[in-house]
Amino acid sequence: LAKTTQPISMDSYEGQEVNITCSHNNIATNDYITWYQQFPSQGPRFIIQGYKTKVTNEVASLFIPADRKSSTLSLPRVSLSDTAVYYCLRTASGSARQLTFGSGTQLTVLP
Amino acid sequence: DAGVIQSPRHEVTEMGQEVTLRCKPISGHDYLFWYRQTMMRGLELLIYFNNNVPIDDSGMPEDRFSAKMPNASFSTLKIQPSEPRDSAVYFCASSLPGLNTEAFFGQGTRLTVV
Repeated sequence: LAKTTQPISMDSYEGQEVNITCSHNNIATNDYITWYQQFPSQGPRFIIQGYKTKVTNEVASLFIPADRKSSTLSLPRVSLSDTAVYYCLRTASGSARQLTFGSGTQLTVLP
Repeated sequence: DAGVIQSPRHEVTEMGQEVTLRCKPISGHDYLFWYRQTMMRGLELLIYFNNNVPIDDSGMPEDRFSAKMPNASFSTLKIQPSEPRDSAVYFCASSLPGLNTEAFFGQGTRLTVV
């Protein structure tokens, strides 16, 4: 259910922009794309959600092309504290409210 | 609101013992989720409730696991008897009604079965 594919790990340096891409070829019409962030020893935390085009909040931007088969989470000017695991989810709508997490992307920000 | 509250934060128990994990969701949230996280399997959804009713328990690994939600402000996940392979971090999360609302996670309970 709700399979997504994303890179296992990424490295970046402080101050750089980081883009994490997620593939969701079989996305359903009513599905949204949601990203969560998880720090060690903490539960996941919601970052951003979108349906198509671009969504921006104070933390990140989310780009979803017209075919919605992929999405890109963009983190501007990362800092060491952005080191975490980032999860891309298809959030199933309707009565199926499962939040199914994949393997996530371990982002490591280097000084 | 204090967020989703889980207890205990850490639990060490011997194989064969009963373990009960507790969760208090955010007030007004009518969805509650139980997850298990291990290095090998990642975050697995075990069961979720809507308005205190279990909706999908297909992720519960076996009959040793059971979950209840007697009221809107309390849920338990019980393992009886516990086994070393049950060692993991167990998370509880809750969310508001409506489609695609964000889930708020607790700090988790780290369970070690020796």
